Amino acid sequence: GAGVSQSPSNKVTEKGKDVELRCDPISGHTALYWYRQRLGQGLEFLIYFQGNSAPDKSGLPSDRFSAERTGGSVSTLTIQRTQQEDSAVYLCASSLSQRTIQYFGAGTRLSVL
Amino acid sequence: SQQGEEDPQALSIQEGENATMNCSYKTSINNLQWYRQNSGRGLVHLILIRSNEREKHSGRLRVTLDTSKKSSSLLITASRAADTASYFCATVWQGGSEKLVFGKGTKLTVNP
Repeated sequence: GAGVSQSPSNKVTEKGKDVELRCDPISGHTALYWYRQRLGQGLEFLIYFQGNSAPDKSGLPSDRFSAERTGGSVSTLTIQRTQQEDSAVYLCASSLSQRTIQYFGAGTRLSVL
Repeated sequence: SQQGEEDPQALSIQEGENATMNCSYKTSINNLQWYRQNSGRGLVHLILIRSNEREKHSGRLRVTLDTSKKSSSLLITASRAADTASYFCATVWQGGSEKLVFGKGTKLTVNP
């Protein structure tokens, strides 16, 4: 595709519900990243996929967070039993390989009521 | 915790003036990148400088890197109202995980 696509752009959910956020990276990009950005803050790294290697999950804040990348392309970030502190913008980025420029999607704004 | 720290946290200038933002980091890096973010959504890459480079230019942007001081600066010359945004530095650690580590950003306001 022309750029990194994320859906939905906005998601409002009730505390305790599960949510799935989707990221469609740029075609041909082998690396895919998820970040979380709380209001007025910088980006927190969550997870990183590179090709067929095991993902770097070191940034996932709890076991309620998980992500997968199917077929080396589309990725889904799942948050189970959402809490109010999960409210943030979740950003996805992709890159050709490690250590190169990352291209970001517009993000999903998650609001947990 | 985040590795990069931008300074200042907020900067307000008049159109036509230059804007300088600084970034400090803590460990050895492979490269340092600057990104821009409008309205709290997607980030746009501005410039990448490698650890063996000291200065880089792109249009009205000038980036310097001082690895001995573990710091970088981003200069925007002849600023425009459209430059109003948040600016983040991000580092790729040398020898570590390949993830980008972002600072908290500098919020730049350019007044017309």
